[in-house]
Amino acid sequence: KNQVEQSPQSLIILEGKNCTLQCNYTVSPFSNLRWYKQDTGRGPVSLTIMTFSENTKSNGRYTATLDADTKQSSLHITASQLSDSASYICVVNQAGTALIFGKGTTLSVSS
Amino acid sequence: GAVVSQHPSRVICKSGTSVKIECRSLDFQATTMFWYRQFPKQSLMLMATSNEGSKATYEQGVEKDKFLINHASLTLSTLTVTSAHPEDSSFYICSARVEGGYGYTFGSGTRLTVV
Repeated sequence: KNQVEQSPQSLIILEGKNCTLQCNYTVSPFSNLRWYKQDTGRGPVSLTIMTFSENTKSNGRYTATLDADTKQSSLHITASQLSDSASYICVVNQAGTALIFGKGTTLSVSS
Repeated sequence: GAVVSQHPSRVICKSGTSVKIECRSLDFQATTMFWYRQFPKQSLMLMATSNEGSKATYEQGVEKDKFLINHASLTLSTLTVTSAHPEDSSFYICSARVEGGYGYTFGSGTRLTVV
């Protein structure tokens, strides 16, 4: 069954700290993996997109990694800011067909 | 970049009435539009896929007569929730595939509350 599992479900960190979010998937055939940030009451906004051959991709303070062999990805956020408080969604594009969404990790950054 | 404008952002309607949600691609042509529903603390659930000029393809369990999708042009797709009931209250989001790349861009979402 094609699934995307994210952990932790929620996370609270202090402003300025780093954190890492995890994503494991069983989607096949694989096309690409995306990380999105979704603020409360808003649509998702793309952070990174990685294909099979890409191991890491950065977007400012966000760095995503992909291990296609173990089917794992992570999103690392450095020097967190209050505005980073949001839901982070891992999405795997099944080749030729659908986007498979994870349930997301809710990140709360406190001062 | 590719932008999808979604309106309205919030709507409250009475039970039994219909509500139309619009999604427009502002700077590109969206041949394919996706409609999602999201319940609190849940992931996005695909409702239907629409291609310009043809009938939408609905996911299993989604009533096509209740959720009417029109994709009559390359820049506009609409979702009409007909005879809305309180259980239809949810967050609805559209998404368009940006041709020539891997991108999917999302609208800002519509919070529907049926009272």
